[in-house]
Amino acid sequence: DAGVTQSPTHLIKTRGQQVTLRCSPKSGHDTVSWYQQALGQGPQFIFQYYEEEERQRGNFPDRFSGHQFPNYSSELNVNALLLGDSALYLCASTNSGGANTEAFFGQGTRLTVV
Amino acid sequence: QKEVEQDPGPLSVPEGAIVSLNCTYSNSAFQYFMWYRQYSRKGPELLMYTYSSGNKEDGRFTAQVDKSSKYISLFIRDSQPSDSATYLCAMMTTDKLIFGTGTRLQVFP
Repeated sequence: DAGVTQSPTHLIKTRGQQVTLRCSPKSGHDTVSWYQQALGQGPQFIFQYYEEEERQRGNFPDRFSGHQFPNYSSELNVNALLLGDSALYLCASTNSGGANTEAFFGQGTRLTVV
Repeated sequence: QKEVEQDPGPLSVPEGAIVSLNCTYSNSAFQYFMWYRQYSRKGPELLMYTYSSGNKEDGRFTAQVDKSSKYISLFIRDSQPSDSATYLCAMMTTDKLIFGTGTRLQVFP
């Protein structure tokens, strides 16, 4: 079992650009959540996708958007990048039949905005 | 005031020491209380979770919750250099996790 896989591992972008990050959930999981972890901080909830729809959203601007595909994989898109968007972006997957206590995290994508 | 407060450390202890990590929270709606371990350049890994006041043991780890004081703790007994990592407390409500800032722990031989 490959667990949660995220790509790419690292990314460098320029201010104003757009970025797409990808996540494949753990086998058997159908719900994907995205978190942003700034340096020295805990992860902050961005949003959650289930059945290809955004089910919940944290306190992030509309520049952050996402998508979930029929195979449960997910993308996180960030438009008009700011320097403050530099962070580790984490994807977590769960089974809709279970609580978030069973969430598995990927290794994250390290985004640097210059 | 943040919903979850955690002392960022860093905490440096000798091998074999007992480590105490703590978090406080303000939201009475939190249902589950978790502890994650995060090694450098890795994603968080769930160590333990509990939903009621009291203690829960798993090997060298003990999670403690005091809902009346809104206080949770993680104790690590016989700490090992391999325990060196950042420890994150997290609380769950409406199916999303609210994390503390994390405590960096270093266990030296």
